[in-house]
Amino acid sequence: DQQVKQNSPSLSVQEGRISILNCDYTNSMFDYFLWYKKYPAEGPTFLISISSIKDKNEDGRFTVFLNKSAKHLSLHIVPSQPGDSAVYFCAATVGQNTGNQFYFGTGTSLTVIP
Amino acid sequence: ETGVTQSPTHLIKTRGQQVTLRCSSQSGHNTVSWYQQALGQGPQFIFQYYREEENGRGNFPPRFSGLQFPNYSSELNVNALELDDSALYLCASSYSPNEKLFFGSGTQLSVL
Repeated sequence: DQQVKQNSPSLSVQEGRISILNCDYTNSMFDYFLWYKKYPAEGPTFLISISSIKDKNEDGRFTVFLNKSAKHLSLHIVPSQPGDSAVYFCAATVGQNTGNQFYFGTGTSLTVIP
Repeated sequence: ETGVTQSPTHLIKTRGQQVTLRCSSQSGHNTVSWYQQALGQGPQFIFQYYREEENGRGNFPPRFSGLQFPNYSSELNVNALELDDSALYLCASSYSPNEKLFFGSGTQLSVL
């Protein structure tokens, strides 16, 4: 049962424009959400996170939005750069001090066209 | 600061064999988690080790087992390999069990 879903397998965006990557989840207990970026032949690299007590978190060109009522989060990249071309995974987990797992989506492959 | 390193990078085994994958955690991290990523899928949680004890397990059979050593490095062992075990195996370390994960580059396992 896929508790974290990324329904867009791929996305193409022109350089300089905004990239919006979406993620939906089903478990209302999730309270910590992360985005990872993965280049070929490398492991995923942490990008940005958000706690369920917030609805927005910014870090430079990257902003994550959380809509708890819709069980939806999105990652905005502005402006998009060719080096942003990678596979992006969203992930979620439950609680603190539970030693529990992170649930990952299936990823969205972003291509930024120069 | 040394990152997470995994060995080997690639491995080919035949069905029924056993395999051991190794992981060195990032300096300062005491928690190691293992994930399996099949082609076209996101990483799936296998288990987590915290201070040398298993600290959570995903939906994987007992033939997937692990160890964590006093220096916080870790091994993933898979017995009786099946064709469906072919995947990228990712090791991740973290400062504590619920902190963000720092991944290694993975071991690509092919079972023939």
